[in-house]
Amino acid sequence: KQEVTQIPAALSVPEGENLVLNCSFTDSAIYNLQWFRQDPGKGLTSLLLIQSSQREQTSGRLNASLDKSSGRSTLYIAASQPGDSATYLCAVGPASGGSYIPTFGRGTSLIVHP
Amino acid sequence: EAGVAQSPRYKIIEKRQSVAFWCNPISGHATLYWYQQILGQGPKLLIQFQNNGVVDDSQLPKDRFSAERLKGVDSTLKIQPAKLEDSAVYLCASSLLGREGYNEQFFGPGTRLTVL
Repeated sequence: KQEVTQIPAALSVPEGENLVLNCSFTDSAIYNLQWFRQDPGKGLTSLLLIQSSQREQTSGRLNASLDKSSGRSTLYIAASQPGDSATYLCAVGPASGGSYIPTFGRGTSLIVHP
Repeated sequence: EAGVAQSPRYKIIEKRQSVAFWCNPISGHATLYWYQQILGQGPKLLIQFQNNGVVDDSQLPKDRFSAERLKGVDSTLKIQPAKLEDSAVYLCASSLLGREGYNEQFFGPGTRLTVL
């Protein structure tokens, strides 16, 4: 059974810092990995999707990397801003061969203070 | 492009009552997902539809939960009767491709259910 762990569970940083959020998974046979942000009381917003054949994806100040062999993904946030404050979740999709049931981590709660 | 719509946004009921949630996915998205997110946890998939057929419902508590997507577009999730532990946010998501290829999921705002 796939297990997804996100470290740290919570993070509070001053504005302008560069951040690294970690996601680890126990079964390396994955189809893809997706990073989301969730604002309080709202649904999830997709940030980056990495297919299993890819090593990284970039969008603006965000960069996500994937190392399947070690079961790890990192989300790098450059020059953090107060608007980045949210919970960040990663979800791992299993390799094809059956129904697709993504497994989510519990998330990292990020606060960026001015 | 309109996003995934869900209603109601909030619902408070007493235990043993029934409740229903509605979801309208992004137009053209074949796959629809219902998730349960308990406070402090990541979302857990309850059921996945491909058009109007069920792809997977292995994590759906079928003794009290049911879902349908009759015309392959919008969907309803029902709980009957509700228990205290059903208090959670119920999220609906959709994606363009089907079971043979997973791509990006788009989520609705969720329905926050409180069972008293």
